[in-house]
Amino acid sequence: EVQLVESGGGVVQPGGSRRLSCEASGFSFSSYNMNWVRQAPGKGPEWVSHISSGSRDIYYADSVRGRFTISRDNAKNSLYLQMNSLRVEDTAVYYCARVLFGNYMDVWGKGTTVTVSS
Amino acid sequence: SYVLTQPPSVSVAPGQTARITCGGNNIGSKSVHWYQQKPGQAPVLVVYDDSERPSGIPERFSGSNSGNTATLTISRVEAGDEADYYCQVWDSRSDHHYVFGTGTKVTVL
Repeated sequence: EVQLVESGGGVVQPGGSRRLSCEASGFSFSSYNMNWVRQAPGKGPEWVSHISSGSRDIYYADSVRGRFTISRDNAKNSLYLQMNSLRVEDTAVYYCARVLFGNYMDVWGKGTTVTVSS
Repeated sequence: SYVLTQPPSVSVAPGQTARITCGGNNIGSKSVHWYQQKPGQAPVLVVYDDSERPSGIPERFSGSNSGNTATLTISRVEAGDEADYYCQVWDSRSDHHYVFGTGTKVTVL
């Protein structure tokens, strides 16, 4: 079964850091581009970051550029999101998603919740 | 940045047809993808590349795209179709490479 499982969410104070992980199974992880997408309470999805299969191409949304870092370890079938200088507005459910050639996301994890609050 | 506009809500009786629009500047020149999201769950891809359906998605879900409007059509609506629906495009000219629409809540009466 194709599956993505996120972990690492929790409560963090403003200005703090958090590292999210996403473990992939059931497919050849190293062959696929991957995204992080977040969804704030009551809002729609917001794309956060993209990484190509071999980590050559990396993109960030304006809202997180300079604070968040995406990475992957293909040997461990894992995707990561290092989040620094967290703000209240970063509070959201964070999803990892598999990206297909047409730049759409066909497999999503269940998400992990990050709450930034003092 | 590229903006995708959807109606906030659409109401439809069971067995009828729901049409959800997604407006964007010359969206017909882009590939549009649609996701269904039920409360507390992750989004699920229901249509990709304007009108293609992933395996496991009922034929009742279809899509079209032309000019400044893309449309997701749900035929013979069922109670289980009640959800939020989001369109999405990839815009290489925008820092928001993956752009989501504002979302439409489909209510089955």
